[in-house]
Amino acid sequence: EVQLVESGGGMIQPGGSLRLSCAVSGVTVISSYMNWVRQAPGKGLEWVSVIYSGGSIFYADSVKGRFTISRDNSKNTLYLQMNSLRAEDSAVYYCVRETSTPVPTGTYYYMDVWGKGTAVTVSS
Amino acid sequence: DVVMTQSPLSLPVTPGEPASISCRSSQSLLHSNGYNYLDWYLQKPGQSPQVLIYLGSHRASGVPDRFSGSGSGTDFTLEISRVEAEDVGVYYCVQSLQTPRTFGQGTKVEVE
Repeated sequence: EVQLVESGGGMIQPGGSLRLSCAVSGVTVISSYMNWVRQAPGKGLEWVSVIYSGGSIFYADSVKGRFTISRDNSKNTLYLQMNSLRAEDSAVYYCVRETSTPVPTGTYYYMDVWGKGTAVTVSS
Repeated sequence: DVVMTQSPLSLPVTPGEPASISCRSSQSLLHSNGYNYLDWYLQKPGQSPQVLIYLGSHRASGVPDRFSGSGSGTDFTLEISRVEAEDVGVYYCVQSLQTPRTFGQGTKVEVE
């Protein structure tokens, strides 16, 4: 069974930095497509970033240049380094694994396992 | 970015009755392989989202058969054939055709 456990959230002042961690079990992070998805208080879901098994990385425009996704294969852990934090970055951050299913032209990936999330509050 | 629009945003339901949620995308989600790159998720109160439907109409593992997805191109529907009390929560559609993945605003389903 795949399990994802996030940590590292907390309260931080605007302009500050935080590093979120996602401990992965039941699968290796290096072989997985791993995402960060966030949810501001009382709001909907917003995709933040993805790292593919091959190492390709993508970010939402709202965090590009400020957030960095990475993984530590020896610790089987996913990270999100968040710099220059703003009030609008306040949210619960979910670590999400994608699973795959075959389609005629290759493989389709969808998000199937979500962690419980870690809350980030950016406030002075 | 692909804009996803759900309706209604709030849906009162009666247990045992059917329910339906609409999701529209600003661009076609129909891939050249014939599949629609559209998924549905349910976020129950106090929980993380869980996948219900992938590729527009494929039920994820363990999802009851009262849930079904349909549609193609830019118009999609999630149907619950007979609502149960445990189905309350916020339903989201999300497109996976383009990066960034984009979600609908969510539809809150509540028992009347």
